Amino acid sequence: AAGVIQSPRHLIKEKRETATLKCYPIPRHDTVYWYQQGPGQDPQFLISFYEKMQSDKGSIPDRFSAQQFSDYHSELNMSSLELGDSALYFCASSPTGQGRSKNIQYFGAGTRLSVL
Amino acid sequence: KQEVTQIPAALSVPEGENLVLNCSFTDSAIYNLQWFRQDPGKGLTSLLLIQSSQREQTSGRLNASLDKSSGRSTLYIAASQPGDSATYLCAVSSGGGADGLTFGKGTHLIIQP
Repeated sequence: AAGVIQSPRHLIKEKRETATLKCYPIPRHDTVYWYQQGPGQDPQFLISFYEKMQSDKGSIPDRFSAQQFSDYHSELNMSSLELGDSALYFCASSPTGQGRSKNIQYFGAGTRLSVL
Repeated sequence: KQEVTQIPAALSVPEGENLVLNCSFTDSAIYNLQWFRQDPGKGLTSLLLIQSSQREQTSGRLNASLDKSSGRSTLYIAASQPGDSATYLCAVSSGGGADGLTFGKGTHLIIQP
């Protein structure tokens, strides 16, 4: 079965650079979520999109922005990177529009971002 | 603000034992609760989802229960195996639709062969 695809898997950036992470949800899933997991920490919710509109917002820094495109894939844009942004970034998707019983979130393998 | 706590933080048991992982949350107005498994440096694998109207869910050797009014959930693992070694995370959704999950810090489980 198709899963959530994230790219790249690993990314190394310097301080003050920008980064773009991509997420391709499971086919026919209309909702994507972004989470950040720092070393030894639990995942923290950043932002979600339903049908290409921002739906819920968590602890996403102002330096970060995200969007969902017409094909439902999503991109997380990160600017002015800081050392503290080094983390595992997860994308999840769910078929929310198919009924509330379908809102299980399925996670991708994550993008490991290292800021040097 | 919703807070999720998992006890114990770490657990090491011999193979074959039955074990219980605990999860508590401060705001009982949840929409659903999900248990995940995470292997080191890897993604999250959804194990079970319990809707707020449900009391338990079962999948193979796993059984998750939910007591919404007391803000508690347990994950029961029967006949543990070394392959069950991982970190188990509990997460709650406080709203339907596309609301983000609030995670606990997880229980790091080691099953000794």
